[in-house]
Amino acid sequence: QVQLVQSGAEVKKPGASVRVSCKASGYTFTDYYIHWVRQAPGQGLEWMGWINPYSGGTNYAQKFQGRVTMTRDTSITTASMELSRLTSDDTAVYYCARGHSWNVQNPWFDPWGQGTLVTVSS
Amino acid sequence: QSALTQPASVSGSPGQSITISCTGTSSDVGGYDYVSWYQQHPGKAPKLMIYDVSNRPSGVSDRFSGSKSGNTASLTISGLQAEDEADYYCCSYRSGSALVFGGGTKVTVL
Repeated sequence: QVQLVQSGAEVKKPGASVRVSCKASGYTFTDYYIHWVRQAPGQGLEWMGWINPYSGGTNYAQKFQGRVTMTRDTSITTASMELSRLTSDDTAVYYCARGHSWNVQNPWFDPWGQGTLVTVSS
Repeated sequence: QSALTQPASVSGSPGQSITISCTGTSSDVGGYDYVSWYQQHPGKAPKLMIYDVSNRPSGVSDRFSGSKSGNTASLTISGLQAEDEADYYCCSYRSGSALVFGGGTKVTVL
């Protein structure tokens, strides 16, 4: 079955960087976009951006530009998201989600990874 | 980036129908037929319930339906059941190559 499995919880200090990985299985990795979405405690969902696993091309939400980097390794069917210059406002659960196969404008996310809690605290 | 506008909460009794609205602008909801809806139970990842405004993925109950009029999309849950109690989020494409979520709606089954 189609599945996205994310790396484990992280605790980081303010100013540090965090890297979250997302291992895909059950489908052709390069055929579908991967999106990243985060959710602060008790808050709603926030879209961060996408990566095209085939080309490596990326598009980041304006809020995160300059601070986020999304990459992929096709040999291990894994996408990663690195967020730098962390503050307490970045404390959240970070999700990866499989996007549409060709239309990146389509907000079709299925399935989602299980989520990775990133806690930023001094 | 401002979120799409959803009511904070909606409630209904078992068997009733409820509708959740998702209001945007002509730059997002009103301008494109790219609206999806997600269900999220506490502590769980979101689940796709509706895509392309009104399409249901396989496996999603036909009690869930979607529609759009102007700048407002809607999710209707018919025959409300206890298991439908969850948070619901809409999502739309926004011109400028962005995707934007609604603030979320908590559905309570009375």
